[in-house]
Amino acid sequence: DTEVTQTPKHLVMGMTNKKSLKCEQHMGHRAMYWYKQKAKKPPELMFVYSYEKLSINESVPSRFSPECPNSSLLNLHLHALQPEDSALYLCASSQLPTSGQETQYFGPGTRLLVL
Amino acid sequence: GQQLNQSPQSMFIQEGEDVSMNCTSSSIFNTWLWYKQDPGEGPVLLIALYKAGELTSNGRLTAQFGITRKDSFLNISASIPSDVGIYFCAGRYSGAGSYQLTFGKGTKLSVIP
Repeated sequence: DTEVTQTPKHLVMGMTNKKSLKCEQHMGHRAMYWYKQKAKKPPELMFVYSYEKLSINESVPSRFSPECPNSSLLNLHLHALQPEDSALYLCASSQLPTSGQETQYFGPGTRLLVL
Repeated sequence: GQQLNQSPQSMFIQEGEDVSMNCTSSSIFNTWLWYKQDPGEGPVLLIALYKAGELTSNGRLTAQFGITRKDSFLNISASIPSDVGIYFCAGRYSGAGSYQLTFGKGTKLSVIP
């Protein structure tokens, strides 16, 4: 099983709303990632969690707040977003780099539109 | 930071033709990954390469990890309409606890029936 699931698939929110994106994997991976992808561009890394602890924050604005409640779940809490934050948000997971098998598996993404 | 050059940027081919795309880097990578992405979907892993010189096939797809560790190519043989999509290469460079993948800008493939 190499499946990463994400919910919701689509989300429309206003700039004053609070919403959350969810990601789940059951591959036993201990590294999980959030990416942002704009149209016709490659994914851009936002956050990395390793052993449920935030290990990398790529200078992401505080209106994005990640959370890793356990080894299978990863959330991204959204608050006071801007229209330019509209994008496809991708979750990925992998074994840790020290394993030598750093293949990242992506979820289907959440298409976010901020009005 | 790491830079990946992926080419071609886009290509139009006739159904049944073979396709080749490649990625080159100015620095060494120790993992190369190839993904395909359909519009509105997440990238789907096609092939993973972990050793310099490694040649791996997955059905009609073949990819190689360059011997210099600075390049990789992906070949698709006998293309079919469902091969349409954007293909991304991604590499991870050496470094303790390094998690980041560097992505190429993608190759958009169109197949003419």
